[in-house]
Amino acid sequence: AQSVAQPEDQVNVAEGNPLTVKCTYSVSGNPYLFWYVQYPNRGLQFLLKYITGDNLVKGSYGFEAEFNKSQTSFHLKKPSALVSDSALYFCAVNFQGGSYIPTFGRGTSLIVHP
Amino acid sequence: DVKVTQSSRYLVKRTGEKVFLECVQDMDHENMFWYRQDPGLGLRLIYFSYDVKMKEKGDIPEGYSVSREKKERFSLILESASTNQTSMYLCASSAGDNSYNSPLHFGNGTRLTVT
Repeated sequence: AQSVAQPEDQVNVAEGNPLTVKCTYSVSGNPYLFWYVQYPNRGLQFLLKYITGDNLVKGSYGFEAEFNKSQTSFHLKKPSALVSDSALYFCAVNFQGGSYIPTFGRGTSLIVHP
Repeated sequence: DVKVTQSSRYLVKRTGEKVFLECVQDMDHENMFWYRQDPGLGLRLIYFSYDVKMKEKGDIPEGYSVSREKKERFSLILESASTNQTSMYLCASSAGDNSYNSPLHFGNGTRLTVT
């Protein structure tokens, strides 16, 4: 079984400040973790994924995510937020030997204030 | 880049109509998915397909059916549309090799309103 939680429905941050969007997961084996972004009236776009190796994964648009096995977390981060980063962010998890159907979190709305 | 194209961005249909939502991908992906997205409920999987003519039910298949006659095309069918099927519908595809670590590629969605 696998599950993923995004504990915050909404995150507010001022432009230029660092941002963090949280994700925790539960899987039966080694996790494969993904972040997606959804802009208004659009589909989801893949941002980055963790498969193995370096715990810090770099992705599109200056985003990165830190894998923490002991805390079963995969938080999305960016050093300096832009107003254009305002969107809905989804975390997803699968695991080695699992199905090809990832489990998605419910999403976190990121609002970056000018 | 993978392109997943959904034929309509907006649709308005009447209760009881049969509705077809079409999705085409251009990357020869084996796996295709239909999700619906509703505020506060996240993404819910309706059906998926791992090969031509193969389909499996997701979490909320009631009231829906699907068709995959060609590898690149995956259609979602609402046999008799109801107002509770008003939603955003998202199609996605993924590669068959190492499927569990392949990201999904999504279309831009179809916002369906049933009146």
